[in-house]
Amino acid sequence: NAGVMQNPRHLVRRRGQEARLRCSPMKGHSHVYWYRQLPEEGLKFMVYLQKENIIDESGMPKERFSAEFPKEGPSILRIQQVVRGDSAAYFCASSPGTVSYEQYFGPGTRLTVT
Amino acid sequence: AQTVTQSQPEMSVQEAETVTLSCTYDTSESDYYLFWYKQPPSRQMILVIRQEAYKQQNATENRFSVNFQKAAKSFSLKISDSQLGDAAMYFCAYKPNAGKSTFGDGTTLTVKP
Repeated sequence: NAGVMQNPRHLVRRRGQEARLRCSPMKGHSHVYWYRQLPEEGLKFMVYLQKENIIDESGMPKERFSAEFPKEGPSILRIQQVVRGDSAAYFCASSPGTVSYEQYFGPGTRLTVT
Repeated sequence: AQTVTQSQPEMSVQEAETVTLSCTYDTSESDYYLFWYKQPPSRQMILVIRQEAYKQQNATENRFSVNFQKAAKSFSLKISDSQLGDAAMYFCAYKPNAGKSTFGDGTTLTVKP
């Protein structure tokens, strides 16, 4: 049973470009969380999605950031017009359902904005 | 809103000794889960130990154990017989039954040979 997969593992973008981060949850999991880790900080919640539905986006910046989890395919976190402050590690975690303590983390995507 | 506080940005321990990492949290929920994660330089988040709030018994996983004080909202991690491979950043996290996890800012643990 493969774990949570994220790709790419490392992504370099110039200021103003778009970044697309992908997360494939564990088999059988229909819930995905995205967290961001800035250097020397803990993980901060961004968004919580169920297939085709955003459940909680209270941690998402109001502009430039969006997330989706389509019926088929991975969840995608999209950052438009990246700035240097977006440089961080972005982690995805998946869960089998709404009421569950289980949350399995992927290896993260390290985004560097030059 | 839930908050998680780790008051020790850095800790060090001699190999084979015992170290305790502190964590306090704030919540109005009665049912929730608490976690300790290890993050080595590879950045992978590794689950160390989990505690269900409704359980009075402290969780234990080999050399790792917790001291869970629900009334005081305290959740410390004890690492016994510390090994060089234990050196990492450790995060305390709170999760309600449904929804997101809230993480502390982490404690960097150094293990001295």
